[in-house]
Amino acid sequence: QKEVEQDPGPLSVPEGAIVSLNCTYSNSAFQYFMWYRQYSRKGPELLMYTYSSGNKEDGRFTAQVDKSSKYISLFIRDSQPSDSATYLCAMSKSGGYQKVTFGTGTKLQVIP
Amino acid sequence: GAVVSQHPSRVICKSGTSVKIECRSLDFQATTMFWYRQFPKQSLMLMATSNEGSKATYEQGVEKDKFLINHASLTLSTLTVTSAHPEDSSFYICSASPGGLDEKLFFGSGTQLSVL
Repeated sequence: QKEVEQDPGPLSVPEGAIVSLNCTYSNSAFQYFMWYRQYSRKGPELLMYTYSSGNKEDGRFTAQVDKSSKYISLFIRDSQPSDSATYLCAMSKSGGYQKVTFGTGTKLQVIP
Repeated sequence: GAVVSQHPSRVICKSGTSVKIECRSLDFQATTMFWYRQFPKQSLMLMATSNEGSKATYEQGVEKDKFLINHASLTLSTLTVTSAHPEDSSFYICSASPGGLDEKLFFGSGTQLSVL
């Protein structure tokens, strides 16, 4: 069993839709949870960074962490074609100096 | 956010040659940098942790003699793929963190290596 599971998609949605991306994990030691956006052949770009359980909102993006269920989500409101990319969830036991475990990424396509 | 610069973005080389990839933290110091490898449609796989002033720590299964890492300063880490073979063709990405209270991880733009 992988430490982090993420549906690879692809996920196609119409422009303006609400997108829900999810990851599950097995290691209860993870405390820091991240979402990255990666365009083709580019490095990942940090979107959301949360510590422990709870919600965090930044513009059209909302990250949710449920540590009791070992489940994290990223919601994108009013999705745009420019949101089309691969979204990677990531998590670590500590902060940036420690190893980060990534999901396989979900490819999202927002259709105009 | 913090900026991590990676060069070159793309390199094509002949089998048997060596290729050097640079990773620089432009606006912060990073005592630790990370090197990843990514195959198409797969996630990032950590290859090694680069530590300034000391030897890199390699993940299991990664050949340290093939993937030489040098972290000579607080803003620069290099990855040298020695005697490259076609199976080394991949997308290589580095990352670094400013550390301290802002312990977020920032990535370079990646290097696509193609070995002919």
